[in-house]
Amino acid sequence: DAKTTQPPSMDCAEGRAANLPCNHSTISGNEYVYWYRQIHSQGPQYIIHGLKNNETNEMASLIITEDRKSSTLILPHATLRDTAVYYCIGGSGNKLVFGAGTILRVKS
Amino acid sequence: DTGVSQNPRHKITKRGQNVTFRCDPISEHNRLYWYRQTLGQGPEFLTYFQNEAQLEKSRLLSDRFSAERPKGSFSTLEIQRTEQGDSAMYLCASTKGGQANEKLFFGSGTQLSVL
Repeated sequence: DAKTTQPPSMDCAEGRAANLPCNHSTISGNEYVYWYRQIHSQGPQYIIHGLKNNETNEMASLIITEDRKSSTLILPHATLRDTAVYYCIGGSGNKLVFGAGTILRVKS
Repeated sequence: DTGVSQNPRHKITKRGQNVTFRCDPISEHNRLYWYRQTLGQGPEFLTYFQNEAQLEKSRLLSDRFSAERPKGSFSTLEIQRTEQGDSAMYLCASTKGGQANEKLFFGSGTQLSVL
């Protein structure tokens, strides 16, 4: 599984877009980029994943650079309930290896 | 609610005692995972099952740990002779299995405190 690097914490104003970066320079061609988040005292929650193309769903958008060495998770209109730890994971198939993630604090 | 159920939610035990946790995955999911999470860290992979077969175990899973998934449905994780270092959140996740890009559905975890 690819090693990922994320900033330890970020702040975002409520209602603004939250852009969470992730570096995964060692990702291999068949490994996906996954994003999960974990709200305090709960299990991780799937957000989105992608291979090469940018992806969008009801929760977020995922922008992957052309060389696939980095990506950005975008929460278009952050709310207080988006305060959580966000994990970027490079992997495929059998298991996902989590790092320490980014603590996102959404402030009013 | 993801559909993955874990019991109990909290467990307090004394050092040296045995504990067992249960995970009920989403019914049609063939693959089941166990992770452990300590404060301030991301979840660490422990083991996973494809149906009833345990296919991979992490080096973190010492001889005191054993996991089973009889009949490929629910799973149990037992810790024998608990130590204070076993205090953590134990998370279960499930997925259909068999594809490279599947998403995991996690339960809310069992918080273990070893006194």
